[in-house]
Parts: sequence; structure tokens; C-alpha cells
Amino acid sequence: EDKVVQSPLSLVVHEGDTVTLNCSYEVTNFRSLLWYKQEKKAPTFLFMLTSSGIEKKSGRLSSILDKKELFSILNITATQTGDSAVYLCVILSGSARQLTFGSGTQLTVLP
Amino acid sequence: KAGVTQTPRYLIKTRGQQVTLSCSPISGHRSVSWYQQTPGQGLQFLFEYFSETQRNKGNFPGRFSGRQFSNSRSEMNVSTLELGDSALYLCASSYRDLSSGANVLTFGAGSRLTVL
Repeated sequence: EDKVVQSPLSLVVHEGDTVTLNCSYEVTNFRSLLWYKQEKKAPTFLFMLTSSGIEKKSGRLSSILDKKELFSILNITATQTGDSAVYLCVILSGSARQLTFGSGTQLTVLP
Repeated sequence: KAGVTQTPRYLIKTRGQQVTLSCSPISGHRSVSWYQQTPGQGLQFLFEYFSETQRNKGNFPGRFSGRQFSNSRSEMNVSTLELGDSALYLCASSYRDLSSGANVLTFGAGSRLTVL
């Protein structure tokens, strides 16, 4: 059975801190890994990673995938209160139509 | 470009009733998938439709059903509602990233169902 494990489950930091969120997986026929940010409403797309070792960056957020060790990290530098959200890791596998979601990491950034 | 539109945004039902939720995908997206999100179970996949056909299905009972129309709009129906069906129901439309072959999902705002 495919499995996606995110850690930590929750995290509380202060503005300006740097955080690293982890996602490890065990899936058959991995295709890609996606990160989403979910505030009160729908998840919004952050990154899609398909190749090992290539860092994706968007402002203060960056992510990288290690397909040998089967994990990805999402880094957020200089955190702001607006970064408070649940960060979801999603694995696409098989025919790229099989989706496995992690439980999410609840990030709270205090002023 | 309009995003994924879900209606209604909020609804309250009682046990035993049935409910129909609607999802309009991003223009040009032909795949629509549905998810249930609860605090205890996280985000769980319900089913996926493509060109009016159910292409993939999660582990939910037969009370949960869906369909897709020729304009790619999709509906999800839950019959004989139970208290445990209270959740946020998310719809996502997707396109295929040609370089990786992977589907990238764009979610709607969700329909929050409360069953009393």
C-alpha cells in the first residue's frame, strides 16, 4: 500500500525563523511529488518535483526531492504570519492518476 | 482564467438525506477529481472523472457517487447521509504536465457539509 508520511505534524515558530518540512514516501511507480499550501480554503499549488536534486524556488519557499532516499523537503525562510497553514505533500504514482496524500504539517507562525 | 468553482459553499443536512455537490473545472481541463477532507482522516480521494467516465475510484461506500457532463462539469452525490459524512468536499481539475507526464491539480474552494 502506498504511504506518504509528513513530519512534523505541527510546528510553531516566530516570524523570521526558517522552517523545514519533511515528506517521505513509499509508493509503487513514483511519477512526481507535489506540495500544496492549505489555509482556510482549498489547497493551493506550490511545487511539483519529478527529478532528484533539482531545487525548485519561489520567493522564500524552496523544495527538493531525493528519489534515492524517497523524501522531499520544503523550506521556508524568513517566515511570516501569512505562512501559517497546513502544508500537504501529494504523491502521483502509477499512471499518474493515483494520488496519495500525506496528513499535512500544520505550521503556525507567531508575530 | 476562472478557477475551479464549487457550489454550494456550505450546506447543512440531516441524517438520511441526500446531497448533490457541483464542480466546474478550469476551462479546458477534462479531468475532475473529488476529495473528502476531515480533521481525523485528512484528505482522501473519492473518485476521478475524465470525458464523462469514472477513471479512478477511492475506498468509499456506494453511497458516494458522481458523474461528469459533456462540458466537464461534475456532480457528486451522497445518499443516506451519516454524521460521519460531515466534511469539506474538495474538487480539483487537472492538466497533464507534458514534461513529466504528471497531473497537476488545481483545487476549488470546497463545499462544507454538516450532517446533523
